[in-house]
Amino acid sequence: QSALTQPPSASGSPGQSVTISCTGTSSDVGGYNYVSWYQQHPGKAPKLIIYEVSKRPSGVPDRFSGSKSGNTASLTVSGLQAEDEADYYCTSYANSNNFPYVFGTGTRVTVL
Amino acid sequence: VQLVESGGGVIQPGGSLRLSCAASGLSVSNSYISWVRQAPGKGLEWVSVIYSGGKTYNADSVKGRLTVSRDNSQNTVHFQLNSLRAEDTAIYYCARLLSGAMDVWGQGTTVTVSS
Repeated sequence: QSALTQPPSASGSPGQSVTISCTGTSSDVGGYNYVSWYQQHPGKAPKLIIYEVSKRPSGVPDRFSGSKSGNTASLTVSGLQAEDEADYYCTSYANSNNFPYVFGTGTRVTVL
Repeated sequence: VQLVESGGGVIQPGGSLRLSCAASGLSVSNSYISWVRQAPGKGLEWVSVIYSGGKTYNADSVKGRLTVSRDNSQNTVHFQLNSLRAEDTAIYYCARLLSGAMDVWGQGTTVTVSS
């Protein structure tokens, strides 16, 4: 199963918005609504911020939103704050007999 | 709800590692538990998942070398990886998988494969 494709980096100034894409195929992102997003700060474990494409776990600010169109999912961080500077990863359920889940390649978000 | 990994350390190439993921606040017998690793400076790699019914899936990178099992009495999931290689050096995390997403993560345990 190939990794989902994310841009290596994205950036924005405080208060601005940044959108990260996560491109897969009809066998993963496009075929299922089991896309999730994780935020990882250096030296820390990943944290779930979006599940089932657009749902936010309790405690995650509504500045984080998710969507999907075709084989591409997107994470938008609105009103960027300094603490949003982190690595972001998408995942998807995948129709595969080998392994049913796949990670994205990861995106480093920099707050300018 | 908490997951705590243990068992990491420095292991020689060709050796074996056994990690444990102890759960509290959730029952591993009723949960899907994933193992994810992160090599130094690299992205996250999903290496295994064990379903509540006991079925396991292992990534190609560890297939044939990895056994994941559950001890329901200890509420713990075990991860045994054999024939270790330098590229197995990573932080290993366990996480609960719910609705296709990993909502509870352990703190991770570091494994270094080196002679």
